Amino acid sequence: DVALTQSPLILPVALGQPASISCRSSQSLVYSDGNTFLNWFQQRPGQSPRRLIYGISNRDSGVPDRFSGSESGANFTLKISRVEAEDVGVYYCMQGTYWPPTFGQGTKLEIK
Amino acid sequence: QVQLVESGGGVVQPGKSLRLSCAAAGFTFSDYGFHWVRQAPGKGLEWVAVIWFDGSNRMFGDSVKDRFTISRDNSKNTLYLEMIRLRAEDTAVYYCVRDQPRTVTPAFEMWGQGTMVTVSS
Repeated sequence: DVALTQSPLILPVALGQPASISCRSSQSLVYSDGNTFLNWFQQRPGQSPRRLIYGISNRDSGVPDRFSGSESGANFTLKISRVEAEDVGVYYCMQGTYWPPTFGQGTKLEIK
Repeated sequence: QVQLVESGGGVVQPGKSLRLSCAAAGFTFSDYGFHWVRQAPGKGLEWVAVIWFDGSNRMFGDSVKDRFTISRDNSKNTLYLEMIRLRAEDTAVYYCVRDQPRTVTPAFEMWGQGTMVTVSS
């Protein structure tokens, strides 16, 4: 199975400051059609996960533009330009290029 | 309103069986593939099973293979997860998750609120 390694696992951030979460894949996630199926999810306390980003960098409907996704080789990054209180929760990366789909361990974002 | 509503969770003894349901509304059910994803208490997310939009393929995670079955009833807009020989390590919140329409690559576009399964004697 493809392993996704997130860092850091805990991310204390002051309100209004930027945040960055890394997700490293054990192998290339480029599919045979040229697409890369790497998504990011947010899970707020007590809630179901919600997809934020699909295909590395495409924001889902309703997701604030302070969230962005990028890639450098087999390393993927979720960035929040200015953290707000509602961003507290756990963030997961997930790959859908290979079966079975796998998730990173999760990064807990908390307010400093 | 577009929604997925899971039901059927509860407390069950080890070795017993349970069937989860996921009722869909607000979209054309037959256009979408669906997954079950679970989350043990205080842990991360684990993919469990998938059924493609056309029902042509079903796949399972190694930890549930030969014990869990996924099925769908397009006439009832409902997804199912039949679980047998349950173990303590199956204890988790089970989420019903919808993919993007008429695709077979997992996208996990929309999630239900989850149903809790507790396996304990």
